[in-house]
Amino acid sequence: AAGVIQSPRHLIKEKRETATLKCYPIPRHDTVYWYQQGPGQDPQFLISFYEKMQSDKGSIPDRFSAQQFSDYHSELNMSSLELGDSALYFCASSLMQGEETQYFGPGTRLLVL
Amino acid sequence: AQTVTQSQPEMSVQEAETVTLSCTYDTSENNYYLFWYKQPPSRQMILVIRQEAYKQQNATENRFSVNFQKAAKSFSLKISDSQLGDTAMYFCAFSGGGADGLTFGKGTHLIIQP
Repeated sequence: AAGVIQSPRHLIKEKRETATLKCYPIPRHDTVYWYQQGPGQDPQFLISFYEKMQSDKGSIPDRFSAQQFSDYHSELNMSSLELGDSALYFCASSLMQGEETQYFGPGTRLLVL
Repeated sequence: AQTVTQSQPEMSVQEAETVTLSCTYDTSENNYYLFWYKQPPSRQMILVIRQEAYKQQNATENRFSVNFQKAAKSFSLKISDSQLGDTAMYFCAFSGGGADGLTFGKGTHLIIQP
């Protein structure tokens, strides 16, 4: 079965640079979620989108923005990167009128130097 | 806001034994969803099992089952006939449904010894 696709899988950036992470949900899924997981920590919810509209917002820094496009893929844009942004970023997808279960992608490992 | 508490940072059992991971949560909602996710060393987040709060019957998936006590706000995971491949971090998670983000517990590191 098709899974959530995230790209890139690994990313190295310098402080103050910008990064863009991409997420392609499971086919037919209409809701996308972004999470940040620091080393040794549990995942923290950042933001979600349903039918291209922002739906729920968590602890997303103002330096980050995200959107969902007409083909349901999503992008997380991160600006003015800080050392503390180094983490594993997960995208998850679900079907709103389905089983209410979020399926996770493999994650993007971001390292800020 | 919801909170999820996992009181066992680490557990270790022998292969083929049964192990129970505990999870408690706090919410004022009546309808919600609870999940257990497994995160092996690869750090992939893998769904283990899900439970809808409005269902009284405990969910079961092969060797994995839950004990859902809604009044006590408890949601424990039982792994029967544990296998070496079960070694992973296990996260309990809460969702209010819809497009709500998941609230995770701190996780339990489960080690299955040969």
